[in-house]
Amino acid sequence: QKEVEQNSGPLSVPEGAIASLNCTYSDRGSQSFFWYRQYSGKSPELIMSIYSNGDKEDGRFTAQLNKASQYVSLLIRDSQPSDSATYLCAVRPGTYKYIFGTGTRLKVLA
Amino acid sequence: NAGVMQNPRHLVRRRGQEARLRCSPMKGHSHVYWYRQLPEEGLKFMVYLQKENIIDESGMPKERFSAEFPKEGPSILRIQQVVRGDSAAYFCASSPGQGTLGELFFGEGSRLTVL
Repeated sequence: QKEVEQNSGPLSVPEGAIASLNCTYSDRGSQSFFWYRQYSGKSPELIMSIYSNGDKEDGRFTAQLNKASQYVSLLIRDSQPSDSATYLCAVRPGTYKYIFGTGTRLKVLA
Repeated sequence: NAGVMQNPRHLVRRRGQEARLRCSPMKGHSHVYWYRQLPEEGLKFMVYLQKENIIDESGMPKERFSAEFPKEGPSILRIQQVVRGDSAAYFCASSPGQGTLGELFFGEGSRLTVL
């Protein structure tokens, strides 16, 4: 079992729709969770961090964490073509190591 | 620019040459990570360093690769006798430290091409 799993996609959504990206992780003791956006040929850019169960909202982005189910998700409301990118889920299971999923490619169709 | 700085952005080497990639962490960060990303693949952890110390190098190939983070100056990832399979994007990232819930911030990356 991979430590951090994501559906590779591509996930295609129409402009204006909600995009839902999912991530599961294996280390039950993980405490810190992150979502990064990576455009093709560019570096990962931090979008959201979440540490507690529940929802965390920042503009059009909402991160959701369920530690009991070992599941973290990212919702993007009112999706725009500029949101088309690969979204990486990262988990910090201990004090310093960050484990990344392979990413989900999102395509927002105009 | 207070972000993570990497150079060179692009590096071309012939097989057998050496590649040196440099990284200066974000201001106030003392922890540096190196990741490698092959085309269409995820980020693979290579090494985690603090000033003058390698904390975890479990992702580094046993041969030809080395990393350092001296007391003064940038962190260096060194690849000796490069082979075509070393062609990849190498990303450096920094964080504030272990005891925090610190977020990881990436540099723009160094793209190595081995001819």
